[in-house]
Amino acid sequence: DIQMTQSPSSLSASVGDRVTITCRASQGISNHLAWFQQKPGKAPKSLIYAASSLQSGVPSKFSGSGSGTDFTLTISSLQPEDFATYYCQQYNSYPRTFGQGTKLEIK
Amino acid sequence: QVQLVQSGAEVKKPGASVKVSCKASGYIFTSYGISWVRQAPGQGLEWMGWISADNGNTNYAQKLQGRVMMTTDTSTSTAYMELRSLRSDDTAVYYCARGTYSNDYWGQGTLVTVSS
Repeated sequence: DIQMTQSPSSLSASVGDRVTITCRASQGISNHLAWFQQKPGKAPKSLIYAASSLQSGVPSKFSGSGSGTDFTLTISSLQPEDFATYYCQQYNSYPRTFGQGTKLEIK
Repeated sequence: QVQLVQSGAEVKKPGASVKVSCKASGYIFTSYGISWVRQAPGQGLEWMGWISADNGNTNYAQKLQGRVMMTTDTSTSTAYMELRSLRSDDTAVYYCARGTYSNDYWGQGTLVTVSS
């Protein structure tokens, strides 16, 4: 199985900050990576697919990059609604696997 | 608009089975696979498996092999996930999501509680 490792596990930031979350795959996955946002008690929301493609309706403050084994999610100009948990997921091979999550909290 | 609407919360005893439904609307059901993901309380996301809504092909997480079955009913655009021989560590919110590769739309989740 491909292991996905996110860092950091938690992150404190202020409104207006720019933050970056990293996701590393245990083997190459090309660009077959997605990012999700999850708020407490809610279903995950798809933000990015194919490592850098924004899902329809997702604001451009979210951006993704990377290929192979190393990927990043960047959120610019944080707003209160952006504080949530973020997950990466590889869909290069079965079983699909998720990172452990990064909890983004207000400083 | 695309919607996935799941069945309601369930409480089951250890050893029982549960069947969760996921009714799709707003798109051609057979054009996309359905993935199932679960989340234990306070934990991360766990991929359970996938089913092709076109031909019924499946791929299950190895740890659930033999206990899980995913099916679809194309006449009602509904996907089903049945989990047997339930244990306490199966207590989780179960989600369906559209897509074979990336998952763009998700159901609202179904809480399954396993307790004696």
